[in-house]
Amino acid sequence: DQQVKQNSPSLSVQEGRISILNCDYTNSMFDYFLWYKKYPAEGPTFLISISSIKDKNEDGRFTVFLNKSAKHLSLHIVPSQPGDSAVYFCAASDSNYQLIWGAGTKLIIKP
Amino acid sequence: DAGITQSPRHKVTETGTPVTLRCHQTENHRYMYWYRQDPGHGLRLIHYSYGVKDTDKGEVSDGYSVSRSKTEDFLLTLESATSSQTSVYFCAISEPLGQGNTEAFFGQGTRLTVV
Repeated sequence: DQQVKQNSPSLSVQEGRISILNCDYTNSMFDYFLWYKKYPAEGPTFLISISSIKDKNEDGRFTVFLNKSAKHLSLHIVPSQPGDSAVYFCAASDSNYQLIWGAGTKLIIKP
Repeated sequence: DAGITQSPRHKVTETGTPVTLRCHQTENHRYMYWYRQDPGHGLRLIHYSYGVKDTDKGEVSDGYSVSRSKTEDFLLTLESATSSQTSVYFCAISEPLGQGNTEAFFGQGTRLTVV
C-alpha cells in the first residue's frame, strides 16, 4: 500500500518550457513534504520542501504547490534546463520523522 | 555537502555469504537510515536508527540487520546474501527540526551484486 505515489514514471519536456511533476499521498497526518533530485550513480539531493501549513513554496526556478484537500503536491520547474534531467522523488514526513518515498519520475529535458 | 561516506562503493559477492556495508557521518545527526533503490520501487527503507543502539525496522527489513555502536557509524549486514538483495543501497542522515520538518542527506550509494 503506497502512501506516496508518483504516477508518472517519466516525463519529457522541451527546454525552456515548464516541467510539472506530480505526487499524491494518502496519509492526512503527513506534516512535511520534500522533493529530491537524483542523477545516475549519485545519491538523491534535497531540492525544495513545504510544510503542511503552507500551500506554496518557491526557490528560484522551483516551486512546490500543496493541495491538502486533494492530498496532492506538484513541483514546477520554470524554465526547464538540460541540467534538470534527472529522477525526481517526492517524499513525505510523518510525526516520527520517517520519510515515505514515491517511486520517482524521470524527467527528460529535450534541447 | 553533508559528510556521509559509504563503503564499499561497489561489491560483488556470492550467494550465502555475509556482507556488511558501512555508513559514516561527520554531521552528528541523530537519525541514520539504510535504503535500497530498485527500478520501479523508489527508495525503500530497510532499517533506521534514532540514536546509539536504538534501531528499528523499515518496510523491507527481512534478511538484513543493523548496528549503531556510535553516533558516526551505521552498519548494514546481509546475514546470508541472496540474489534478490542485488540493489543499490543508500545511507541517509537527518536531524529532526520540529513539526515533521526534517531533511535527509544521502551518501553516494553502494552497488551490491549477489551472484
